Amino acid sequence: SAVISQKPSRDICQRGTSLTIQCQVDSQVTMMFWYRQQPGQSLTLIATANQGSEATYESGFVIDKFPISRPNLTFSTLTVSNMSPEDSSIYLCSVDTSGRGEQYFGPGTRLTVT
Amino acid sequence: SQQGEEDPQALSIQEGENATMNCSYKTSINNLQWYRQNSGRGLVHLILIRSNEREKHSGRLRVTLDTSKKSSSLLITASRAADTASYFCATDSLTGGGNKLTFGTGTQLKVEL
Repeated sequence: SAVISQKPSRDICQRGTSLTIQCQVDSQVTMMFWYRQQPGQSLTLIATANQGSEATYESGFVIDKFPISRPNLTFSTLTVSNMSPEDSSIYLCSVDTSGRGEQYFGPGTRLTVT
Repeated sequence: SQQGEEDPQALSIQEGENATMNCSYKTSINNLQWYRQNSGRGLVHLILIRSNEREKHSGRLRVTLDTSKKSSSLLITASRAADTASYFCATDSLTGGGNKLTFGTGTQLKVEL
């Protein structure tokens, strides 16, 4: 298992601004995942972040809008850039420490864009 | 992404009753997992069943998998009020040495006293 923390837990931002979300894991992991959960919806994978390489983005998500950093094996950030109300969502990071495919999730960051 | 579908979308039962949720998916899988989410917070992993398994138990949870029908079910027996949450199935595909998950649409379970 893994203990994952995210900062901030929630924020209210104005459109056109950017927010950087931090994800900290209590153990070293190879891959970290970032998800978006729009209100009342399921989770959608934004990107997979490997330490030391560029993140791999899923269809519909681009680096200019969601730049990701992965400076070491326990930390990652996701930035939501030039925000609009449509970006209002919960953003979650997760890791797979078991190698069996089970993922452990952070508590999420609830973002509201006004 | 090809999202799986779950039914029912919402389920309300009395404490002590059993709850059954179903998940259908579209692609071949390595495994299927079930997660619980309380009140829009982080997800908690419940159980994983591999593509070569047909049934798996964990405490009050029972999961079945039918790969020929591309479907799975989660049974929670003797439900409790604390089981009130959203439940998601998730299927994986291999990518670059790691697994990425595709989540289903979710079932909102409410267990009433």
